[in-house]
Amino acid sequence: KQEVTQIPAALSVPEGENLVLNCSFTDSAIYNLQWFRQDPGKGLTSLLLIQSSQREQTSGRLNASLDKSSGRSTLYIAASQPGDSATYLCAVRRGYNTDKLIFGTGTRLQVFP
Amino acid sequence: DTAVSQTPKYLVTQMGNDKSIKCEQNLGHDTMYWYKQDSKKFLKIMFSYNNKELIINETVPNRFSPKSPDKAHLNLHINSLELGDSAVYFCASSQQDGGAYNEQFFGPGTRLTVL
Repeated sequence: KQEVTQIPAALSVPEGENLVLNCSFTDSAIYNLQWFRQDPGKGLTSLLLIQSSQREQTSGRLNASLDKSSGRSTLYIAASQPGDSATYLCAVRRGYNTDKLIFGTGTRLQVFP
Repeated sequence: DTAVSQTPKYLVTQMGNDKSIKCEQNLGHDTMYWYKQDSKKFLKIMFSYNNKELIINETVPNRFSPKSPDKAHLNLHINSLELGDSAVYFCASSQQDGGAYNEQFFGPGTRLTVL
């Protein structure tokens, strides 16, 4: 059974810091991995999607890496800003013939001025 | 230009009632989903529909019945509501390109409170 864990559960940093959020999954046989952010009282916004054959994806100040064999992904946020404050979720898709996403437990990030 | 929309945003009701949540997507996607986020913020899939056909049905009580009148809509009907049904329900959609890149797009959520 696939389990997805995110560490840390919460993080509070001053503006400008570079930070790393971690996502671990127990079954390395995944099809892809997606990072989302969730703002309080709002839905999920997709940030990055990495296919299992890829090592990393970048979008602006965000960089996500994937090490499938070790069951890990990291989301790197450069030069953090207060607007980055949100909950970050990673989710894995199990396989080619299923589009079911299994979500992690989330990391609640607060960036203070 | 809302991509995935849900109504209502908030729903407060008594135990035992029957209620529905509606979802619509204007992205032209062929697959839609319902997820439940519990009080601990854990998000779990409930159902998915592809071209109006049920694809995923997790171990959800049969009091929950999804209905897809067309591929742009997936509604969730809940009978005999219980306290434990209180949660935030998210609708999502994606395009199945033969199993390839299928980023899921989420709606804003419906916060259901059962009293």
